[in-house]
Amino acid sequence: AQKVTQAQTEISVVEKEDVTLDCVYETRDTTYYLFWYKQPPSGELVFLIRRNSFDEQNEISGRYSWNFQKSTSSFNFTITASQVVDSAVYFCALSGGGSYIPTFGRGTSLIVHP
Amino acid sequence: EAGVAQSPRYKIIEKRQSVAFWCNPISGHATLYWYQQILGQGPKLLIQFQNNGVVDDSQLPKDRFSAERLKGVDSTLKIQPAKLEDSAVYLCASSSPRGGGYTFGSGTRLTVV
Repeated sequence: AQKVTQAQTEISVVEKEDVTLDCVYETRDTTYYLFWYKQPPSGELVFLIRRNSFDEQNEISGRYSWNFQKSTSSFNFTITASQVVDSAVYFCALSGGGSYIPTFGRGTSLIVHP
Repeated sequence: EAGVAQSPRYKIIEKRQSVAFWCNPISGHATLYWYQQILGQGPKLLIQFQNNGVVDDSQLPKDRFSAERLKGVDSTLKIQPAKLEDSAVYLCASSSPRGGGYTFGSGTRLTVV
C-alpha cells in the first residue's frame, strides 16, 4: 500500500521568510514517482514537479527547491524568500507500480503574511 | 493551450437530489480522471478513463455515482441520489498518452444540504 504523510497541517510565515514543507512517503514499489502540486484559492491543482525514484538529485527552480532522500523516504519542498502569492495548499503525491496515478497526502496550507 | 474545462463551478442541492458535472479535457489527452476532494483532504481518485473505456473505477461508489465518456472526449459524472457526505470538490484531470504530470480543472464545488 502507498501512503503519503504531510504532518504539517498549516504553516504561517511572514513574507521573505524561507519555509520548508515536509513530505514522508511509504511504498513497496522499487520504481515510483513523487509529485508536488499547488492548490491556490481558485481551486485548480497546479503541477510543480515530478521526480522518479532513481533520481535523487535535488532540484531548484527559481525560489523553489526540492530535497529527495530515499534513506528517510522524504521529499521536502522549500520556498525561499516566500511571497504572498505563495499562499496556497500544497500537496505531495506518490505513484508507483507502473501507474502514474498519484496518491495524495492531506496537504499543507501555507499562509504568507505581508 | 486551453486547460481542462469543468462546469458548473458551484452547485448546491438537497440530499436525495441528483446532480451532474461536466468535464472537457485538453485536446488530444486520451486519459481522463475524476477525483473527489473532501475539505481538508487530498484528492481521491474516483474513476479513470482511457479514451471512452473505464480503466479503474474501484473507488467509485457505484450505488449512487456513475460516469461516462462518450466518444472519448467530454465526460459526465453523476450522483443520484446525493448524500450529505458527498459535499466536496469534484476535480477532473487529463493527461497525455505519455502519462506523468496531469492537468487539472478548477473543479466543481458541491454542497449537499
